[in-house]
Amino acid sequence: DAKTTQPNSMESNEEEPVHLPCNHSTISGTDYIHWYRQLPSQGPEYVIHGLTSNVNNRMASLAIAEDRKSSTLILHRATLRDAAVYYCILRGYNTNAGKSTFGDGTTLTVKP
Amino acid sequence: EAQVTQNPRYLITVTGKKLTVTCSQNMNHEYMSWYRQDPGLGLRQIYYSMNVEVTDKGDVPEGYKVSRKEKRNFPLILESPSPNQTSLYFCASSRSGQGHEQYFGPGTRLTVT
Repeated sequence: DAKTTQPNSMESNEEEPVHLPCNHSTISGTDYIHWYRQLPSQGPEYVIHGLTSNVNNRMASLAIAEDRKSSTLILHRATLRDAAVYYCILRGYNTNAGKSTFGDGTTLTVKP
Repeated sequence: EAQVTQNPRYLITVTGKKLTVTCSQNMNHEYMSWYRQDPGLGLRQIYYSMNVEVTDKGDVPEGYKVSRKEKRNFPLILESPSPNQTSLYFCASSRSGQGHEQYFGPGTRLTVT
């Protein structure tokens, strides 16, 4: 299975941008890169996903490296409500289509 | 409102007493999946279903059964629960098993004594 690697934790100040990295060196050509976050005492929540091109939505931006072996989730202005565990996973059309492997994620702390 | 619902939300049971956790989605999604979450171990996939009557094992399927007889429902069955199945369980659904976002339910906290 294609695996992802993320830093265990990161800190940010409120109102500042946050760049959360994810490495996925074994990604296959049909794997989509998905980001989810989990707030305390809640289920995971979808943030954004992409295949090759950078993506923007109301929550965040996703920057994908040209070789697709890494990606970065960008929160443009962190708020206290963005404090959560952020997961980067791969979902694709390969033989393991349907499997979703969540790693440990990155715990984001936002300081006021 | 588009949602994934799980029942019950909380359950305390005893070892060996069969139980079923239900999961239902109202988005006509083909794909559904079950995860468990334990402290320090993150989210681990138990079983998933790509469509009706199509199910497959995730990373930790031992001790669990699932069925997908209709599109909207994907129950998780513990035939003989054991204390090591005490966990927080999440159901999720998505339009497909590949390039679409997953929607997660609110979770079921199960305690097996």
